[in-house]
Amino acid sequence: DAKTTQPTSMDCAEGRAANLPCNHSTISGNEYVYWYRQIHSQGPQYIIHGLKNNETNEMASLIITEDRKSSTLILPHATLRDTAVYYCIVRPLGAGTALIFGKGTTLSVSS
Amino acid sequence: DGGITQSPKYLFRKEGQNVTLSCEQNLNHDAMYWYRQDPGQGLRLIYYSQIVNDFQKGDIAEGYSVSREKKESFPLTVTSAQKNPTAFYLCASSKDTSNQPQHFGDGTRLSIL
Repeated sequence: DAKTTQPTSMDCAEGRAANLPCNHSTISGNEYVYWYRQIHSQGPQYIIHGLKNNETNEMASLIITEDRKSSTLILPHATLRDTAVYYCIVRPLGAGTALIFGKGTTLSVSS
Repeated sequence: DGGITQSPKYLFRKEGQNVTLSCEQNLNHDAMYWYRQDPGQGLRLIYYSQIVNDFQKGDIAEGYSVSREKKESFPLTVTSAQKNPTAFYLCASSKDTSNQPQHFGDGTRLSIL
C-alpha cells in the first residue's frame, strides 16, 4: 500500500500557484520524497525529489516540513498543460525498490 | 534527445502467443525497470536490472521474462503463461539504484485479441 495520503482532486486557475499537499507521517529516516505526474496514456514524468531540505528546479519547488511528516509541491505559475494526476511517493534507498504509486491528486488547471 | 523509447505504442496478442516489448535508453543509465499499470491502478514492478547481464524479479514476475545483454536495452517478453496480460506496460531507467529518480518511457498498451 502507498505510504502517502493526498487529496483526490484540486483545482487551480491558470497563472496562479498550485500547491499540492502530501502527508507521509510514517516516513523513515532513509526514505526520500518523490513527485511524479502522469497525463492520461503517457508514462509518469519525474518532477522533483528531496530528503529533508527544500528543493527547487525548473519545474517546481518541494517544501518538506521539519519533522518530514508532510510535504508540498508548488507549481509557481500553473498552465493548462499542468493538468495531470500528481503522485507523491516515498522510497527507501536500495536495489529493486519500486516506486509505489497511490491514487494521486488530479489537478485541473482552468483558464 | 536523450530519453527512453518504448515500442510499439500499441500491441495486440492472440491467445497462446508470446510477445516482446522493446525498451531502449540513451541516458547511460545503469538500472532499468519494467512496470505494469492496470486501469485506475498504480504501477506494479515486474522486473528490474541493476547492471548488464543481471536482473531480479519484482512483485509480479510470473508469466514474464527479461534479458539485459546491453546497457541500453531491456526487452520484456510477455509469455503465454501470463493469464491476464492486457495492461499498460511502462519501462523506466535510473542512473543507479540509490536515490536517483526513475525516468519513464511513454509505455506500450497490450491487448488480447
